[in-house]
Amino acid sequence: EPEVTQTPSHQVTQMGQEVILRCVPISNHLYFYWYRQILGQKVEFLVSFYNNEISEKSEIFDDQFSVERPDGSNFTLKIRSTKLEDSAMYFCASRLDRVVTGELFFGEGSRLTVL
Amino acid sequence: AQSVTQLGSHVSVSEGALVLLRCNYSSSVPPYLFWYVQYPNQGLQLLLKYTTGATLVKGINGFEAEFKKSETSFHLTKPSAHMSDAAEYFCAVSGSREGGYNKLIFGAGTRLAVHP
Repeated sequence: EPEVTQTPSHQVTQMGQEVILRCVPISNHLYFYWYRQILGQKVEFLVSFYNNEISEKSEIFDDQFSVERPDGSNFTLKIRSTKLEDSAMYFCASRLDRVVTGELFFGEGSRLTVL
Repeated sequence: AQSVTQLGSHVSVSEGALVLLRCNYSSSVPPYLFWYVQYPNQGLQLLLKYTTGATLVKGINGFEAEFKKSETSFHLTKPSAHMSDAAEYFCAVSGSREGGYNKLIFGAGTRLAVHP
């Protein structure tokens, strides 16, 4: 069964370092998302991506964050200069089409720990 | 704005007992509602969803949920818990109709423990 895969599963980094989280969405899906969950808090929307551009982003997604789809298969989230408060589980998701009720398929998450 | 509140961050039941996980939503437009489950070391998986039509929806693994507009609720139930149901459960509401981007707004999650 097709699935969304994320790497790394866990990354530990020093404050101020750059981090890249990688995702491989399901191959024929067209819409891509990043969410995050700080320990004990809600799963929060970060950004959605369609047709090689950001379609929507939350207030969390500031200039320190960027996304790209460099090669037609990977979908990456970059945090330019990590802060302690960026420590969270980051989930990638993809969806096949525009149907509003269409299912989002999630990866297993990448746990980021910023020291 | 839309939001979701899940009452109870932890719920513990005995094997064979009724499972009830509570979810209330706030939405200015008719909502689309979802329940996702996350098993240990896995991604979020769709359990069931309500879009339109029948207010009682059935999902995988014997779970069901009922949309009650008057109570703005979408509680998840299962008549008889199994040990394998132990997981974290997330209620979500669709964030937007326009553009079809289907941003989901999640609740904080409820961790279900099932004991023998």
